[in-house]
Amino acid sequence: AAGVIQSPRHLIKEKRETATLKCYPIPRHDTVYWYQQGPGQDPQFLISFYEKMQSDKGSIPDRFSAQQFSDYHSELNMSSLELGDSALYFCASSLGGGGAYGYTFGSGTRLTVV
Amino acid sequence: GNSVTQMEGPVTLSEEAFLTINCTYTATGYPSLFWYVQYPGEGLQLLLKATKADDKGSNKGFEATYRKETTSFHLEKGSVQVSDSAVYFCALYRSSGGYQKVTFGIGTKLQVIP
Repeated sequence: AAGVIQSPRHLIKEKRETATLKCYPIPRHDTVYWYQQGPGQDPQFLISFYEKMQSDKGSIPDRFSAQQFSDYHSELNMSSLELGDSALYFCASSLGGGGAYGYTFGSGTRLTVV
Repeated sequence: GNSVTQMEGPVTLSEEAFLTINCTYTATGYPSLFWYVQYPGEGLQLLLKATKADDKGSNKGFEATYRKETTSFHLEKGSVQVSDSAVYFCALYRSSGGYQKVTFGIGTKLQVIP
C-alpha cells in the first residue's frame, strides 16, 4: 500500500540558507500535518492543512512557511536556517478528521544545518 | 490544554520480561489515545489505538486499555523481545472546532537485552 512519501530523506544546509521539504500524502488523504523532532525529543506540531487551507498552527517559526497544493502534496519552506533547526521533520496525513484513528507518518527528512 | 505524561526512560529489560510503560493524559471530553513506536532511524508507526473509554488496543503482543477514571493508557507486553527495542510515544487526539492535531508524550526508550 502507498505510504506517505517525504523528500529528500537527508538534507545538509549551511546557516542562513533556505530549504524546502516535500510531503506526498497517501492517495485520497486531504489533510497533512508537519512535525519537528529534535534529537531525543518528542515530535512537536508545526502546522497542518486541510483541503489546501491551513487548519491549525503550532510552534512554527516565522522563518518557516508551508502550503498544500491542488494535488494535496505539501511543502515546508525554511529560510534563514539556524543550527537549532537541525532536526527530523515528519509529515503525516489523514482523511479529514481521520486523525482520531491515527495518522500515517512518512519516514521523515533529516535536516542538518552546519 | 491537552497534554500527555509518560514515564521517562530508558527502560532496560531482559528478553522475555514483562513490560509496562505508564502514560496519563489531560484533555477535555473524550480524546482518542494512541501508542506510536519509532525504531532507530525510522519514522513513527502507529502501534495501537483506542477511541473510547474501556477500549483495549492491541497489536504485536502489546496492549493498552483506555481508562477514563484514571486518565491512563498504559502500554503492556507480556514478553519482550530484542526486536522491541525502540522509542515508544503515547499520544492523544482531540478535535474541537478547527483544532485538530495529535499531542505526543516525551517518548520512552526501551532497550531489551538478550
